[in-house]
Amino acid sequence: NAGVTQTPKFRILKIGQSMTLQCAQDMNHNYMYWYRQDPGMGLKLIYYSVGAGITDKGEVPNGYNVSRSTTEDFPLRLELAAPSQTSVYFCAARRGESIAGHYGYTFGSGTRLTVV
Amino acid sequence: AQSVTQPDIHITVSEGASLELRCNYSYGATPYLFWYVQSPGQGLQLLLKYFSGDTLVQGIKGFEAEFKRSQSSFNLRKPSVHWSDAAEYFCAVGDRGSTLGRLYFGRGTQLTVWP
Repeated sequence: NAGVTQTPKFRILKIGQSMTLQCAQDMNHNYMYWYRQDPGMGLKLIYYSVGAGITDKGEVPNGYNVSRSTTEDFPLRLELAAPSQTSVYFCAARRGESIAGHYGYTFGSGTRLTVV
Repeated sequence: AQSVTQPDIHITVSEGASLELRCNYSYGATPYLFWYVQSPGQGLQLLLKYFSGDTLVQGIKGFEAEFKRSQSSFNLRKPSVHWSDAAEYFCAVGDRGSTLGRLYFGRGTQLTVWP
């Protein structure tokens, strides 16, 4: 009964390094999202996916890339990490295609990333 | 464009006192409205939601919220706060016109509970 699993929980990167934040869900949900949370700023949408092979940009996609080769996995890639990418990253999954699918919006526990 | 305003960054209440967290939204029509809670080191958990119908909605953990169209508000309330309610609370608007299910979040209100 894992839901949405994010790894790692914490990471420190040096400027210019790259890394992949992993997100996996076992609920067979089509819709998946990546948000970043900055203090006092709420959550901002980075990328989203409506199914395997389909991804699109959210509000703040610059500096990130995603892929969705399977229903279960939705990794977020950071290339050339910058201090502005220091944040907490949340992955979420949602069932269904109707608005009623809001009932099934499940968040992971987050990845805290620091870029120094 | 949709937006959510939570005017209180930090609220402190005593255990047993009543609580009201404010949320105002900007949306072209009646939105879908949500309150989420985030405990330290955890993801967001849905407290309650409003889609349509009765404007007073009940959620988990004894919380309720009232949708007031005339004030564009969806304030969260609890009659008696417990120490375990200390957390960060987020109000969110869902895009009614889209199946994408995207949520627009407020910046959050941090709740501290004094014993």
